[in-house]
Amino acid sequence: DTGVSQDPRHKITKRGQNVTFRCDPISEHNRLYWYRQTLGQGPEFLTYFQNEAQLEKSRLLSDRFSAERPKGSFSTLEIQRTEQGDSAMYLCASSLDRVEDEQFFGPGTRLTVL
Amino acid sequence: KQEVTQIPAALSVPEGENLVLNCSFTDSAIYNLQWFRQDPGKGLTSLLLIQSSQREQTSGRLNASLDKSSGRSTLYIAASQPGDSATYLCAVGPSNDYKLSFGAGTTVTVRA
Repeated sequence: DTGVSQDPRHKITKRGQNVTFRCDPISEHNRLYWYRQTLGQGPEFLTYFQNEAQLEKSRLLSDRFSAERPKGSFSTLEIQRTEQGDSAMYLCASSLDRVEDEQFFGPGTRLTVL
Repeated sequence: KQEVTQIPAALSVPEGENLVLNCSFTDSAIYNLQWFRQDPGKGLTSLLLIQSSQREQTSGRLNASLDKSSGRSTLYIAASQPGDSATYLCAVGPSNDYKLSFGAGTTVTVRA
């Protein structure tokens, strides 16, 4: 496996339900990022990890959102009590340690909240 | 706060024509700039990464230039093909943290 993988690729849920997404970064990458992209817009930063430490969270990440990266490997993003406004593409990326290192993106998880 | 703008929002050209996509950003204190391609409903594919110390990068038919002082980057795609039809996004990597700031993209249609 040479790339970032995300699971599931598509998720349809009803309003009020909880959902969880998974991201597996490139194996030697210490940094992992979550972005959200709505239709017709560029991705917006949500949060990022260095190993298992969550170093920054965007104000877009309300209390209903939580992200973890146990043991500094894969990461999960959970949305509780989903709302229709949460419908978006959730993108995960990973990189090496330096700020100038390239970020490599996964295929994304498309969330639709009915 | 870094603002990234891509003009035009959409572009339609006949096959064989050269494409010129523009990206501008408000804060010139950046580490790098990346150009991505996104097909409908898909993730991002990295095309070119330009470090802040570089003026341009080339890969095949693609060439990207960077002018940090004026806050501009241009992506050139030579001899466009229908397979180049996609949305092209530029993203700026700032100097004081790790998150990328994206433009809204330019959607390109190459007509056969």
